[in-house]
Amino acid sequence: AQSVTQLDSHVSVSEGTPVLLRCNYSSSYSPSLFWYVQHPNKGLQLLLKYTSAATLVKGINGFEAEFKKSETSFHLTKPSAHMSDAAEYFCVVSDDNQGGKLIFGQGTELSVKP
Amino acid sequence: DGGITQSPKYLFRKEGQNVTLSCEQNLNHDAMYWYRQDPGQGLRLIYYSQIVNDFQKGDIAEGYSVSREKKESFPLTVTSAQKNPTAFYLCASSTRTSSTYNEQFFGPGTRLTVL
Repeated sequence: AQSVTQLDSHVSVSEGTPVLLRCNYSSSYSPSLFWYVQHPNKGLQLLLKYTSAATLVKGINGFEAEFKKSETSFHLTKPSAHMSDAAEYFCVVSDDNQGGKLIFGQGTELSVKP
Repeated sequence: DGGITQSPKYLFRKEGQNVTLSCEQNLNHDAMYWYRQDPGQGLRLIYYSQIVNDFQKGDIAEGYSVSREKKESFPLTVTSAQKNPTAFYLCASSTRTSSTYNEQFFGPGTRLTVL
C-alpha cells in the first residue's frame, strides 16, 4: 500500500531564512509525488510534482523538492521564507491503480515570523 | 476562465436532512474526486469517477452518494446516514495520460455544518 508521512506537524521559521518540510513515502512501485499548499479555508494549490523525470523538481513561488529513492524521501525546500508562505503544506502520493486516488500526509503547518 | 467551482461555500444542515454539494469543472477532465477534510488532518477520499456514468467508493463512502451524468458535473449528496458530516468538502479533477493520472486541480471547497 502507498503512504506518506510528514515528519513535522508544525514548522516555524523567520522571514528570509530557509524552509525545510520533510516527507517520507512508501510505495511498491515508482510513485507520482506532489506537494500541495492550502491557505486557511481555501482549496489546495499544486506547488510541484515528481513523475519519474528529473529528481530535483522546481515548483512555484521558489519552492523545490528532491526525490531520493534510497531514502524514500521527498522533502520540500525554499531558500528564503516569505510571510505569504505561511500555510498548511501536504505531501501527497498518487495511486494510479485506484483511479489516481491521492493519499495525503497529515500536513505540516508553516509559520513565518517577521 | 477554466477551473473548478463548488457551491455553496457554506452550508448548514439540520440533523436528519440530506444535502447536495455541487461541483462543476470546465477543464474537460475525465476524472473527478470528492474529499473530506477534518481539522488538523489530511484529506480523505469519499468517491471518485473516472468516466461519465461510472464511479467508485473511496475510503470513507458510507453515508454519501454521488452521480456522474455529465462530464462537467459530479455532485455529492451527504445523507442522514452520515454520522458526523460536519467537515470541509473539496472536489477535484484530473486528466489521464496512458496509465498515469496527472495532478489534481481542486475547487475552493464547501464547509458543511450540521446544527
